This record gives sequence, structure tokens and C-alpha cells, in this order.
Amino acid sequence: DIVMTQSPLSLPVIPGEPASISCRSSQSLLHSDGYNYLDWYLQKPGRSPQLLIYLGSNRASGVPDRFSGSGSGTDFTLKISRVEAEDVGVYYCMQPLQAYTFGQGTKLEIK
Amino acid sequence: EVQLVESGGGLVQPGGSLRLSCAASGFTFTNSWMSWLRQAPGKGLEWVANIKRDGSEKYYVDSVKGRFTISRDNAKNSLSLQMNSLRAEDTAVYYCARVNSQYAAFDIWGQGTMVTVSS
Repeated sequence: DIVMTQSPLSLPVIPGEPASISCRSSQSLLHSDGYNYLDWYLQKPGRSPQLLIYLGSNRASGVPDRFSGSGSGTDFTLKISRVEAEDVGVYYCMQPLQAYTFGQGTKLEIK
Repeated sequence: EVQLVESGGGLVQPGGSLRLSCAASGFTFTNSWMSWLRQAPGKGLEWVANIKRDGSEKYYVDSVKGRFTISRDNAKNSLSLQMNSLRAEDTAVYYCARVNSQYAAFDIWGQGTMVTVSS
């Protein structure tokens, strides 16, 4: 099984400041088709998860451009250029290359 | 409006059975792989099962193989999860989700239904 490891697990951020979450996989997520099979989700408090980023770096429909995904192979990063209050929640990375496995989640809170 | 609505959750004793349903609307259900995922209280997300567009292929996480069965009724735009031999560790919110095959991601999620396995 592919194991996904996120850091940090807790992320206090001042509004307007940037934030960054790391995700590492136990195996390369770079497929022969050239895509990295890595997605990012946000679960806001009391809500269902929502897709933010797919295939490593593509924003899903309606996702603000302050969110960006990068990385390749086994190391990936989700960046928020300027955190807003509505960004509070738990962020998960997920690999869909071999079945589906999620990272432990990173809880972003406002300082 | 694109929507997935789960139902059927509740309290069940260990060893018991429960059937979850998910009603889809606002998109072409027959064109979509569908999934069930779950989230134990205070824990992270876990994929449970997948089913192909026509129901001909089904995949499960190891922990539910032989106990859970995913199925779909394309005429009714409906997804189901039959859960047998339930255990305490199956206690979770269960979500149905659409698999966007182009994105390799779950792009539509339901609101979830709670399953509690306890005596």
C-alpha cells in the first residue's frame, strides 16, 4: 500500500499570511502518462470534503487562485498565498494511483 | 443542481447488517464511477469501495472485503452499500462520492450518513 505522510499536522496561521503543507508518498506518484497522481482536499468544520487540487497542480472548479499545488514523484506541497478565515479546516492529500489512500490531515486554524 | 444524498445510516449491533443508499442528481450518473468513503469519529478519510459505470467491476479496501457489497441501479441513479457482519471499527460517517476519471479525484461528495456499531 502507498502510505501518505503530511506535515505539519497542525498549522496556526495569521490571516493574510501564507501557509504551506507538505505531503510525501512512500512510492512515486508520477505515472508514465506524465501526470502526478496526487490530489488535495479541504474538509471545513462540520462539512463534507471538497476537492481543491487534482493531478498535483490543477485547481478544481471554483477554487480560488490563492491555492496552488506543486511537486513531483514523492514530494508535494499545497500553498495558500494569503490565508483567509474561510480556509479553516483539515487539509488532506490523497493518492489515486493504487486504490486510494489519504494523508493523516493537517488542521489549519487562524491565530 | 449537482447532488449526492446518502441515507440509511443508524445504530446497529455488532454482527448486524445495514444498507446505505445514495441518490444522485444533476449529472450523468451512468457515465461515472462511484465510490463509498468513510470517516471514523475524529479520524481521517478512508476509501471503502468503487464501482464501474456499468457495475461490472467492483473494488474494496481489504478491511471490508467479503463483508460489504457495493452496487448501483443506473435506471434509478442510485448507489448502494450493503454492510454485513458489522464491527465496532466500522463506526463512521459514510460518504458517497463521484470519481472524476479525467481528474483521478473525488469531485462530488454527499453530506454523509452516520453508522454506529455498538451493543
